[in-house]
Amino acid sequence: GNSVTQMEGPVTLSEEAFLTINCTYTATGYPSLFWYVQYPGEGLQLLLKATKADDKGSNKGFEATYRKETTSFHLEKGSVQVSDSAVYFCALSYNNAGNMLTFGGGTRLMVKP
Amino acid sequence: EPEVTQTPSHQVTQMGQEVILRCVPISNHLYFYWYRQILGQKVEFLVSFYNNEISEKSEIFDDQFSVERPDGSNFTLKIRSTKLEDSAMYFCAAILTVVGRGGLTGSYNEQFFGPGTRLTVL
Repeated sequence: GNSVTQMEGPVTLSEEAFLTINCTYTATGYPSLFWYVQYPGEGLQLLLKATKADDKGSNKGFEATYRKETTSFHLEKGSVQVSDSAVYFCALSYNNAGNMLTFGGGTRLMVKP
Repeated sequence: EPEVTQTPSHQVTQMGQEVILRCVPISNHLYFYWYRQILGQKVEFLVSFYNNEISEKSEIFDDQFSVERPDGSNFTLKIRSTKLEDSAMYFCAAILTVVGRGGLTGSYNEQFFGPGTRLTVL
């Protein structure tokens, strides 16, 4: 079956540090890949997505590139802020109407001033 | 961004009791999902729902769970006889779809999540 694996947290960084959260997946075919973010006390928000190999998703300074050869979709940000503190979830889904999301375990990011 | 809302935000119940969690739809949301997140664990798919029918369900979604959307109103998840291990955050999600000339269009794989209902079973 499909699965998503993320690096375990928490990841603790100082403000303006460089962020990488690793995500790899196991799936047949060509799924779409996503990063969702969950701020404290809130639901899941779509952060970015990529629908085919070599696509780069980006939003709010975050970016991730769909790497088919390494089955990876690592999340990066050049300079994190305290407000980026949240739990980040990598996920995959197929491009069929109504298809479910398969999530990774989530990675908690804590950014200190 | 299309908003998905859920009620209640927090539900406390006794083991063995029935609970109903509600997802408040927007008129052009057509695909609905329930996911759950046990504290500290990953978000898990429960069920998807389209055109008043279950499209897919996971092995978690056993006979104690049911979903419905009566008369196009709220999309609900019912747990008939709650267990301690049902304590979790339950998230509703929806896909915004538009019916065009060629049928359904829209971003099939972009799901919008509600804020969740925290269910505590005592």
